Amino acid sequence: AQKVTQAQTEISVVEKEDVTLDCVYETRDTTYYLFWYKQPPSGELVFLIRRNSFDEQNEISGRYSWNFQKSTSSFNFTITASQVVDSAVYFCALSKAYGNKLVFGAGTILRVKS
Amino acid sequence: NAGVMQNPRHLVRRRGQEARLRCSPVKGHSHVYWYRQLPEEGLKFMVYLQKENIIDESGMPKERFSAEFPKEGPSILRIQQVVRGDSAAYFCASSPPGMPGSGKNIQYFGAGTRLSVL
Repeated sequence: AQKVTQAQTEISVVEKEDVTLDCVYETRDTTYYLFWYKQPPSGELVFLIRRNSFDEQNEISGRYSWNFQKSTSSFNFTITASQVVDSAVYFCALSKAYGNKLVFGAGTILRVKS
Repeated sequence: NAGVMQNPRHLVRRRGQEARLRCSPVKGHSHVYWYRQLPEEGLKFMVYLQKENIIDESGMPKERFSAEFPKEGPSILRIQQVVRGDSAAYFCASSPPGMPGSGKNIQYFGAGTRLSVL
């Protein structure tokens, strides 16, 4: 069975601090996809990134970066120089290569204070 | 370019009533998914539909819940005889046509319907 664990329930930082959100997953599949979504206070889920299991290159997009480590089954998300607008719930999710269910972690609430 | 539209945003029902939740996917998307988010929990998969077909309903409760995605019109998630435990946020997502069952398809989510059962 697939499982995603986001051990950090809530994180509070002050603006401009860097923050890392942890994601650990379990799967028996050799091919799978990992995702991060952001849920701002308005409620919708916003897609941030998709990564397949064969691509362990780290990715950077502006202030966001992702560190995929297959050896530790982790897909961590770092926000550099956090801003108040980054305050949201962040979800990590996993899907099989051939399957349409997303398995979500419980989410991490990020609060960025000015 | 409209994203996934869900309505209503908030729905209040009394125990025993029916709840109908609607989802219009992104234009051109033919795959629709429903997820439920209970308080303090992540989203849980309920059902995956393509036009006029249910592809995977492994996450749907066996009774009172049904879903459809007709040839014309929005996808509907229907909950009959609601109980307090049905109170949750229900999210719809859509993805573009692609290889059936391809897990690489990005799912784009709506803002959800918050169902409260009194």
